[in-house]
Amino acid sequence: AQKVTQAQTEISVVEKEDVTLDCVYETRDTTYYLFWYKQPPSGELVFLIRRNSFDEQNEISGRYSWNFQKSTSSFNFTITASQVVDSAVYFCALSESSGGSYIPTFGRGTSLIVHP
Amino acid sequence: NAGVTQTPKFQVLKTGQSMTLQCAQDMNHEYMSWYRQDPGMGLRLIHYSVGAGITDQGEVPNGYNVSRSTTEDFPLRLLSAAPSQTSVYFCASSGSGTGELFFGEGSRLTVL
Repeated sequence: AQKVTQAQTEISVVEKEDVTLDCVYETRDTTYYLFWYKQPPSGELVFLIRRNSFDEQNEISGRYSWNFQKSTSSFNFTITASQVVDSAVYFCALSESSGGSYIPTFGRGTSLIVHP
Repeated sequence: NAGVTQTPKFQVLKTGQSMTLQCAQDMNHEYMSWYRQDPGMGLRLIHYSVGAGITDQGEVPNGYNVSRSTTEDFPLRLLSAAPSQTSVYFCASSGSGTGELFFGEGSRLTVL
């Protein structure tokens, strides 16, 4: 069973629109970490955020915000006033404490296309 | 600040050939891992290591070998390349115990 589900394969928006990328995860551990990574067209993977399972506070960084809800096992990512430079593939990931290795499992990614 | 260095960046192989993708990190990280990225499949874990001398299989290990003789290096070996191994490969390291990964730039492998 897929542990991290990103149901949106591709999202297309026009610049300045707000957009939310969904991430639903599955784990039996009480201690785990959630991540978002960005992969721009150039191909590198860029770390955006890490959240631990004990911290449900939402986080805002500029135009980016993240909503972590344990009740729904979701860790959604919102970009406010999107820009063309936000066009990328975004990956959500989960690392669990089982086995002590904390090696992340990734979702399949959401491709965001922002049109000028 | 080199971080995670992967070589080569591009490689074309013929079916049946073998090769090694090199990965080195200079951050003294305990954890290292290899992922492959295929369209629509996200990043899938091939093998990982939690320290020198310790390796384990990930989700898609078949056809690949790894070893971790030093903290710095974690090479990925393709024993007999197959077209299904055409992919982009990422090496990553982590030292925090949380799973936060530092990635290499990726290696694009084509098997004909």
